[in-house]
Amino acid sequence: GQQVMQIPQYQHVQEGEDFTTYCNSSTTLSNIQWYKQRPGGHPVFLIQLVKSGEVKKQKRLTFQFGEAKKNSSLHITATQTTDVGTYFCAGTINNAGNMLTFGGGTRLMVKP
Amino acid sequence: KAGVTQTPRYLIKTRGQQVTLSCSPISGHRSVSWYQQTPGQGLQFLFEYFSETQRNKGNFPGRFSGRQFSNSRSEMNVSTLELGDSALYLCASSWEVPGQGSYGYTFGSGTRLTVV
Repeated sequence: GQQVMQIPQYQHVQEGEDFTTYCNSSTTLSNIQWYKQRPGGHPVFLIQLVKSGEVKKQKRLTFQFGEAKKNSSLHITATQTTDVGTYFCAGTINNAGNMLTFGGGTRLMVKP
Repeated sequence: KAGVTQTPRYLIKTRGQQVTLSCSPISGHRSVSWYQQTPGQGLQFLFEYFSETQRNKGNFPGRFSGRQFSNSRSEMNVSTLELGDSALYLCASSWEVPGQGSYGYTFGSGTRLTVV
């Protein structure tokens, strides 16, 4: 079945450092979404990418969707303690309706 | 608009029992999906309902079932509970991403089920 792999599993950074998480799918995705889950919370939608090679920015967050629509990345510039949480990518494949396949998540810890 | 409401927030059940979890989506949303989140397996899709019909189903045993009512509220049921069913069960209400013809999810706070 379809798998979405995400690396790294954990990342410790010093506040102010950059952070990147990578997502790879075994099959072509129709779109990819990114979610953030704070400790003890639930996933919160951040963004969706649909087009091959698409790049979107939200303040310090930059999201990319690969040309082959099989990989994606989330980059955070100058991390802050409020960035702490687990970042998940989630993809949908053609004809799979609204079913999302989630990556395993990257847990970001930021040292002040 | 109110968010996605899941009840109860916490539940403790004994092996062999059955449990019913409830989810009320955002008003006007007709699609409801359920996910199971565990430390070992991560977030896994259970099923999706749209207009009272199951539209997609994940790879879970038949002990896991669900339904959706005419007001879009959804319930999921797990029968003959096993220890491995302990998890956070998340319900998501989906909405169309403007201009992209696809859907984003708003998750509820989840029901944390512990099976002892």
